[in-house]
Amino acid sequence: QVQLQESGPGLVKPSGTLSLTCAVSGDSISSSDWWSWVRQPPGKGLEWIGEISHSGSTHYNPSLKSRVTISVDESKNQFSLNLNFVTAADTAVYYCARTTMVRLFDYWGQGTLVTVSS
Amino acid sequence: DIQMTQSPSTLSASVGDRVTITCRASQSITNWLAWYQQKPGKAPNLLISRTSNLESGVPSRFSGSGSETEFTLTISSLQPDDFATYHCQQYKTFPWTFGQGTKVEIK
Repeated sequence: QVQLQESGPGLVKPSGTLSLTCAVSGDSISSSDWWSWVRQPPGKGLEWIGEISHSGSTHYNPSLKSRVTISVDESKNQFSLNLNFVTAADTAVYYCARTTMVRLFDYWGQGTLVTVSS
Repeated sequence: DIQMTQSPSTLSASVGDRVTITCRASQSITNWLAWYQQKPGKAPNLLISRTSNLESGVPSRFSGSGSETEFTLTISSLQPDDFATYHCQQYKTFPWTFGQGTKVEIK
């Protein structure tokens, strides 16, 4: 059974950097097509942030592209998200998700709430 | 970006009701439309892909239809386990986008 688990600080200061890691078990990062980050502000809909392949190819949502970096560590079977210059608008539950070649999100982590506040 | 708009935002219904949720795309996505179910405090779960293909384990009371810009998710007879929020997602054109969600609540 594929499982994903997000980890990282739950509180980040404004203008700081949000950093999260997604640990994958039950599947090898190198055997699946893409791995994504998706976020959900409180009470709102889902927003796709970006994706990475096992080889390190990335695609980012243009609305966040200037602030986002996604990286992969095949040796640890995990991938990571960095979001720079955060504001209160970046407060959300952040999910990592396995992503099929056609861009369906078929396995998700449980999500982690990140609050941006001083 | 392709904008996805769901209606209604909230739907009140009773067990046994037939429920229909609509998702409209700002431009044609042919049939590259998925539906996810999300329960409070949980991650979304993929229900339907390619407009009408039920994922493994999804009850047959769920069905999807539509094409181009207008799509529907129907629950033929609402069950207690179905009270949740439903999200549509287009995966025809980068960036992949979701609707704002439709909450199905108990009447």
